[in-house]
Amino acid sequence: KNEVEQSPQNLTAQEGEFITINCSYSVGISALHWLQQHPGGGIVSLFMLSSGKKKHGRLIATINIQEKHSSLHITASHPRDSAVYICAVRSGRYGNKLVFGAGTILRVKS
Amino acid sequence: NAGVMQNPRHLVRRRGQEARLRCSPMKGHSHVYWYRQLPEEGLKFMVYLQKENIIDESGMPKERFSAEFPKEGPSILRIQQVVRGDSAAYFCASSPPFQSRTEAFFGQGTRLTVV
Repeated sequence: KNEVEQSPQNLTAQEGEFITINCSYSVGISALHWLQQHPGGGIVSLFMLSSGKKKHGRLIATINIQEKHSSLHITASHPRDSAVYICAVRSGRYGNKLVFGAGTILRVKS
Repeated sequence: NAGVMQNPRHLVRRRGQEARLRCSPMKGHSHVYWYRQLPEEGLKFMVYLQKENIIDESGMPKERFSAEFPKEGPSILRIQQVVRGDSAAYFCASSPPFQSRTEAFFGQGTRLTVV
């Protein structure tokens, strides 16, 4: 079992739909990151969370520390949101390096 | 303030050659992490360095791979006698000291192709 599990692996949505990507982890963490990667592109940090909820434009990220679960929501999705979304956790258990989920491939159709 | 800079962006090497990947951290950052992304796979940790010191190399293959972060200049990930299985995207990330709750700053990656 991976330390960080993401679901779904693949997601196809119609433009305008509300999208949710989930992430579960198994150890205590100091921070959780949501990252975005376009095909052939670099990795961009969207959010860093240690508690609660953050919002940036159409993106919302939440975390429940007790349940060891986080969600990334995209409201009013757009084709330019098509990318791989990666959840990563940082934990003293792992020596403070990032441990990554497998990623969710999102395709938003117009 | 430039972000994390990696070069080259693309690197093609023949089997048996050496590959050198460079990473210049963000200004003020003294810690560097290297990660590898194999085709169709997720990101995996390789090595964590600070200036002149390797903190954690638990993700580095035992042979042919080495990393350094000298007092002056960029961090270097070196792969000797490359094989086709080394073809991957290699990402570098940097952070300041006391980084447990800092943002993750990544470079654009180096895409290594071994032919």
